[in-house]
Amino acid sequence: NAGVTQTPKFQVLKTGQSMTLQCAQDMNHNSMYWYRQDPGMGLRLIYYSASEGTTDKGEVPNGYNVSRLNKREFSLRLESAAPSQTSVYFCASSDVRDTGVPEAFFGQGTRLTVV
Amino acid sequence: AQSVTQLDSQVPVFEEAPVELRCNYSSSVSVYLFWYVQYPNQGLQLLLKYLSGSTLVKGINGFEAEFNKSQTSFHLRKPSVHISDTAEYFCAVSQTFGNEKLTFGTGTRLTIIP
Repeated sequence: NAGVTQTPKFQVLKTGQSMTLQCAQDMNHNSMYWYRQDPGMGLRLIYYSASEGTTDKGEVPNGYNVSRLNKREFSLRLESAAPSQTSVYFCASSDVRDTGVPEAFFGQGTRLTVV
Repeated sequence: AQSVTQLDSQVPVFEEAPVELRCNYSSSVSVYLFWYVQYPNQGLQLLLKYLSGSTLVKGINGFEAEFNKSQTSFHLRKPSVHISDTAEYFCAVSQTFGNEKLTFGTGTRLTIIP
C-alpha cells in the first residue's frame, strides 16, 4: 500500500519553462490537495479537488493549473515557471468515510527550484 | 474562515526535558484539530487529532494535546523529549462539516539539545 506518490522528487526549471507535477493515491480517497511549503509560512493550499471532476482554488492558485484526471490522480501544472514558485510541493488526500474526519495523508514532496 | 497561529517558530529543548508547543486557532464554525509532524526531508504525518469528547488527546510517540475551547487553543506536549523528536510540528484545523480543507499554522521547529 503506497499511499500518496508524487513524482518527480526534485526538479530544476528555468524561468518560463513549464512542467507538471504528478500525484497518485491508492486509498480510494475522494479529496485531493496540492500545497506548497515555504520557510516561515507553513503549508498553503494551492488547489483542491473534493471529488473526481471537480477542482477549486485554494489560498495561492495564481500561476498554477490542476487536473483531476480520475479518482486516483491529481496533477499540478506550472505553465510558465517563475522564481517565486521555488518551493516544496506536497500532494495530499483525505476522505471522511475512513474515520469520520478529514485526516490527510501526504506524499513525500517535490522540491522545485526555478532559476 | 479559519486560521491557525503557532507563536513559536523555533523551540530548543534539552533531551529528556518536557516541551510544550503552542497552537491557537480561530474559526466561526466548529472545527477538528490536528497536529502533524514533519521529519527532515519527509512529508507530513499525523501525530494526533481532536474530534470531540475528552479534551486530552493522546497521539503517537508519547505526545499529547489538550483542547481548550474557551482559550481556542490546542497545545502539544511531551513530558520527556528524545533526539528523535527533532522535527517541524504543524497545527491544523478543518471544518466539522462541508469542506474538508486543512488550514495549517506556520510550524514550530523543535530542536533537541543533547
